[in-house]
Amino acid sequence: GAVVSQHPSWVICKSGTSVKIECRSLDFQATTMFWYRQFPKQSLMLMATSNEGSKATYEQGVEKDKFLINHASLTLSTLTVTSAHPEDSSFYICSAPQGPYEQYFGPGTRLTVT
Amino acid sequence: DAKTTQPPSMDCAEGRAANLPCNHSTISGNEYVYWYRQIHSQGPQYIIHGLKNNETNEMASLIITEDRKSSTLILPHATLRDTAVYYCIVSLSGAGSYQLTFGKGTKLSVIP
Repeated sequence: GAVVSQHPSWVICKSGTSVKIECRSLDFQATTMFWYRQFPKQSLMLMATSNEGSKATYEQGVEKDKFLINHASLTLSTLTVTSAHPEDSSFYICSAPQGPYEQYFGPGTRLTVT
Repeated sequence: DAKTTQPPSMDCAEGRAANLPCNHSTISGNEYVYWYRQIHSQGPQYIIHGLKNNETNEMASLIITEDRKSSTLILPHATLRDTAVYYCIVSLSGAGSYQLTFGKGTKLSVIP
């Protein structure tokens, strides 16, 4: 199946700093990518839809100025967590659809804010 | 997307078939049934999908009732590596309609 990668796989940052997470579709192009967040022992929650060449669409309750999304090419979307705080510590996962049915997920990025 | 209901957890003996049920009584006619699974600390993995007919691939079989209000995912010979949280999701398909809404899923534990 198709491959989606994320970088870094884990990151620790200090409170108040920003951190960028990359999501790449390695063997296919994706005009749309999705960003999810997963807290411990909870399910995935969709944060935003990343659209190549246009603004991202954020889910209700997700601060667009805090979670900056850039989808600059057909294979790369980035999520920047600005002014991170401990409550932003979570598992961030991206996904990209390939074809009309299947969606491929990255391995996730574990963010810890100290 | 329509809501789904799944048992929170199930056990299955290694080598036996694992049958994971899902209720989706409010599914609409153009919504598909998707199954994904998430092994601990990894991203979800696509398993199978279907609309009306039963489907089978190298990973699993999907049985959808005639009224489409419920379905069962079957792992024919469960292994320890199949221990994961399994998510049943109903969603529109086609360009621009890929949003997946994850419920709580079923935590399947395969027992040696």
